[in-house]
Parts: sequence; structure tokens; C-alpha cells
Amino acid sequence: EPEVTQTPSHQVTQMGQEVILRCVPISNHLYFYWYRQILGQKVEFLVSFYNNEISEKSEIFDDQFSVERPDGSNFTLKIRSTKLEDSAMYFCASRTSVGVARTNSPLHFGNGTRLTVT
Amino acid sequence: AQSVAQPEDQVNVAEGNPLTVKCTYSVSGNPYLFWYVQYPNRGLQFLLKYITGDNLVKGSYGFEAEFNKSQTSFHLKKPSALVSDSALYFCALYGNKLVFGAGTILRVKS
Repeated sequence: EPEVTQTPSHQVTQMGQEVILRCVPISNHLYFYWYRQILGQKVEFLVSFYNNEISEKSEIFDDQFSVERPDGSNFTLKIRSTKLEDSAMYFCASRTSVGVARTNSPLHFGNGTRLTVT
Repeated sequence: AQSVAQPEDQVNVAEGNPLTVKCTYSVSGNPYLFWYVQYPNRGLQFLLKYITGDNLVKGSYGFEAEFNKSQTSFHLKKPSALVSDSALYFCALYGNKLVFGAGTILRVKS
């Protein structure tokens, strides 16, 4: 079964540094998402992306964050000038646009990148 | 505004007993509801979804969920729990984005 893959699995960075989290969505999917999960807390929506632009973003997704689909397969989340509170698991997800009920096809998640900011 | 609530932080069940993980929701319009499971150091795995139709939805690993519109609930159930079912379970609601509940830890003891 096709999977969403995320690299790296664990990223350690110093406060103030920039990080790029990488994701390869499932190949025929066209809707992409980033979520984060601070340790022991709920999974929070960051941003959704479709047709090469952001379709929605949360209040968490401020100017520090950006997303990009640099080629036909990768979907990246960039965090500029990381802060201690950015430490979390970051999950990429994708879903297909194919089907009658396209708004309710399930999201497929990657295994996440654990970001530790020191 | 859409929201999902999971009232229990943790559910403890003996192996072989039935289990229920509770979820309630609030949304204007038709709810699209999902259950996901998360094992340690892993991503979220899709279990099942309710879009329309039968109120009892069957999913992966023997799980099912019952949609109740009058109670705005979507409880996850399994007739006979396994130790391997121990994990973190998230209920989610899709309006214009997927919104997750806080999660419920399920512990199944042998």
C-alpha cells in the first residue's frame, strides 16, 4: 500500500536556526497537509495546500512557517528561526481528490518528524 | 465552528472485554467523522469514517463506530479487545479541514 514518507525521522536544531522538514505524499494525491503534535498533546492543524498554493492555515502558521512543493513529489515545511516551543512531532498528510465525495476521503499520514529545538 | 471532544483521557479494558472510546462533535451541516489510531513513535493510521448512510460503520482491525445524530456522538467500539489494541485513539471531524480531538489512551490488560 502506498505511504506518505517523511524525512528525517528526528531533527535536532539550535534555537534560531532554520529547518526544513520533508515529505513525499502518495503519488496520485493532490491535497497536502502539515499537522503538529506537541508531546502528550492533541494533533493540531497547521496548513493545507492544493494546486500549488495554501488553501488554509491556522493561527499557529505565522510568518515563521512556509510550505513549498518544489517538484512533482516533495512537499516541504520550512521553519525559520526556530524557537524552543516549536519542539514537536510534525506530521505530513495527503489525500486524493479522486472520487465523488472528495472532501471526505481520509487523510493518509506519514510517521512524522520529531523536531527538537535546543 | 467545528469541534471534537473526547471526554476520557484514558480507557482501561481487560483483554476479551468489549471496549468503547467516546467522541462527541459539534458542526454546522453534515458531519464527516473519522477515527485514527497512533502507536508509539508512529503516524496516525486511518481506522474508519462516517460520511452518510448506516449509522454503524465498520473499519480496520475489527473496530466499528456508531454515529448518533441526536447525541452528536461517534463512539468507537470493539466487541473483544486485544492487548495489541493498546494505543492512542483520535476522533476527527472534517469540515473545511480535519480537526482532531485531544485523544484517548486505550490500555488493554491481559
